[in-house]
Amino acid sequence: GAVVSQHPSRVICKSGTSVKIECRSLDFQATTMFWYRQFPKKSLMLMATSNEGSKATYEQGVEKDKFLINHASLTLSTLTVTSAHPEDSSFYICSARQPLAGSLYEQYFGPGTRLTVT
Amino acid sequence: TQLLEQSPQFLSIQEGENLTVYCNSSSVFSSLQWYRQEPGEGPVLLVTVVTGGEVKKLKRLTFQFGDARKDSSLHITAAQPGDTGLYLCAVTFTNAGKSTFGDGTTLTVKP
Repeated sequence: GAVVSQHPSRVICKSGTSVKIECRSLDFQATTMFWYRQFPKKSLMLMATSNEGSKATYEQGVEKDKFLINHASLTLSTLTVTSAHPEDSSFYICSARQPLAGSLYEQYFGPGTRLTVT
Repeated sequence: TQLLEQSPQFLSIQEGENLTVYCNSSSVFSSLQWYRQEPGEGPVLLVTVVTGGEVKKLKRLTFQFGDARKDSSLHITAAQPGDTGLYLCAVTFTNAGKSTFGDGTTLTVKP
């Protein structure tokens, strides 16, 4: 299967600072990537769809000015959590979409980033 | 209303037992994926099913897509502690471009 990496795997930051998380597709090009947030013992919550060369599409309730997404190349998308607060502490996971057949796609996930805001 | 209903939500069994988890909806899907996620890691894609009635096997795991493409099941034979994890089903709507996930089934296999 396709490989997606995330960096960093863990980050601790102080309240009010910004944190950037990188998501890379290592062995394929991804015009579309997704950013998810996951709370303990819960399923994935889609935050936004990252499109290469265009603006990200945010899900309802997700603040686009707080969670900045940049998809500058076909293998890299970044999520920047600006002015982080303790309630932003969570497990953030990205995925990259790869064509399967016709109009069908498969998603491959990164290993996730554990963000702790103190 | 939850688009995808996964059941059971939690399942704890002994090593060697068989189990089935379900993913149901009232909508028709173009494809359905099953993932397994271990704590602190990202979900790993297990299988994609596309055709109604399709059955796929991955070692001790058997995946079935309903004839009407509205539901799916995952059956594990002779479960092992290494099967422990969160099992998620996800669907993609044609032309929608993004996936929707179920709430997951947390499986614990005790040695």
